[in-house]
Amino acid sequence: DAKTTQPNSMESNEEEPVHLPCNHSTISGTDYIHWYRQLPSQGPEYVIHGLTSNVNNRMASLAIAEDRKSSTLILHRATLRDAAVYYCIDGRSNAGGTSYGKLTFGQGTILTVHP
Amino acid sequence: GAVVSQHPSWVICKSGTSVKIECRSLDFQATTMFWYRQFPKQSLMLMATSNEGSKATYEQGVEKDKFLINHASLTLSTLTVTSAHPEDSSFYICSARVRGGYEQYFGPGTRLTVT
Repeated sequence: DAKTTQPNSMESNEEEPVHLPCNHSTISGTDYIHWYRQLPSQGPEYVIHGLTSNVNNRMASLAIAEDRKSSTLILHRATLRDAAVYYCIDGRSNAGGTSYGKLTFGQGTILTVHP
Repeated sequence: GAVVSQHPSWVICKSGTSVKIECRSLDFQATTMFWYRQFPKQSLMLMATSNEGSKATYEQGVEKDKFLINHASLTLSTLTVTSAHPEDSSFYICSARVRGGYEQYFGPGTRLTVT
């Protein structure tokens, strides 16, 4: 399975931007980059996904390097509710295969937000 | 939109008994559902992928006769842990994906404790 590398933990102050990095040097050309987050004792929550171009939604922005070997999840103004484990996932996209849509979760980055 | 529910949210059972966990997509049709297991302070581990109307595909090392998965309709998948043992105690999480979609929508999880 393709793997991603993330820092174990990061800290931020409330209302400041947060940049969460992820390395995915073995990503294939058709695999999407997915970000999910998980609060304690809850199921993960979809954050954003992208292929090549930078992506924005109401939760975050995703900046993807030109060579696609790394990406950065950007939370523009961190709140206390953003404290969670953030997972960067190299998602398989081979449509029709049994691995289509599979997400392999790594250890993620624990984000702590200080008031 | 895109809400996934799980029932029960927590369950305690005696060793040797079976437990059924339901996963429902409330406002969309889920052609594919996934079942994950998460032990304390660890990441999610994919157990199996189920497509509506067909047999589930289990990940390596997951006993298909112990973890029975049924995806009987486009809105319901069930996971039955048969002859549960204390080592099966874990947080079980399901997710659902629409046909052609890339995002997975996760349920809130079911905490299983086997005594």
